[in-house]
Amino acid sequence: GAVVSQHPSRVICKSGTSVKIECRSLDFQATTMFWYRQFPKKSLMLMATSNEGSKATYEQGVEKDKFLINHASLTLSTLTVTSAHPEDSSFYICSARDTRVNTGELFFGEGSRLTVL
Amino acid sequence: GNSVTQMEGPVTLSEEAFLTINCTYTATGYPSLFWYVQYPGEGLQLLLKATKADDKGSNKGFEATYRKETTSFHLEKGSVQVSDSAVYFCALYTGNQFYFGTGTSLTVIP
Repeated sequence: GAVVSQHPSRVICKSGTSVKIECRSLDFQATTMFWYRQFPKKSLMLMATSNEGSKATYEQGVEKDKFLINHASLTLSTLTVTSAHPEDSSFYICSARDTRVNTGELFFGEGSRLTVL
Repeated sequence: GNSVTQMEGPVTLSEEAFLTINCTYTATGYPSLFWYVQYPGEGLQLLLKATKADDKGSNKGFEATYRKETTSFHLEKGSVQVSDSAVYFCALYTGNQFYFGTGTSLTVIP
């Protein structure tokens, strides 16, 4: 199946700094990628839909100025958590759909655990 | 609207026990249904799926049948192993967006 890779898998940063997480589709092109946030013992919360070559679409309640999303190419989307605070500590997961096969299946990255001190 | 409801966890079973994780959904139209599994510290992996009513998805000994009449997609396995310990997510796809359940944590003890 299609492979989606995230980097870094773990990152620890100081409060007030910015952190960038990369999401790559390794063997297919993804015009659309999705960024989720997962809280402990909670489901996945869709944060935004990343669209190649255009602005991301954010879900209600997600601060677009805090969670910057850039989808500069068909295989790469980045999520930048700006001025991170301890409450931003979470597990962030990206996903993409391989439009070559019309199954609707989402392929997920391995996730990135952010810890803000 | 669209939503997925999963049974609350955590679930703890002994090895070789029978597993059922209930999942029901509400959807407009004809969604596809999925079960994803998340092993500790990892992202989600597709476990199985069904795209239309009465379809049965199966993989690694797990099965789920798309029941339109009861709007359900319950996950079952006849004999669980310690390696099945993970969080299981039921999800539906409307052709536009995915909707996930809250996840059910399964721990299998030897």
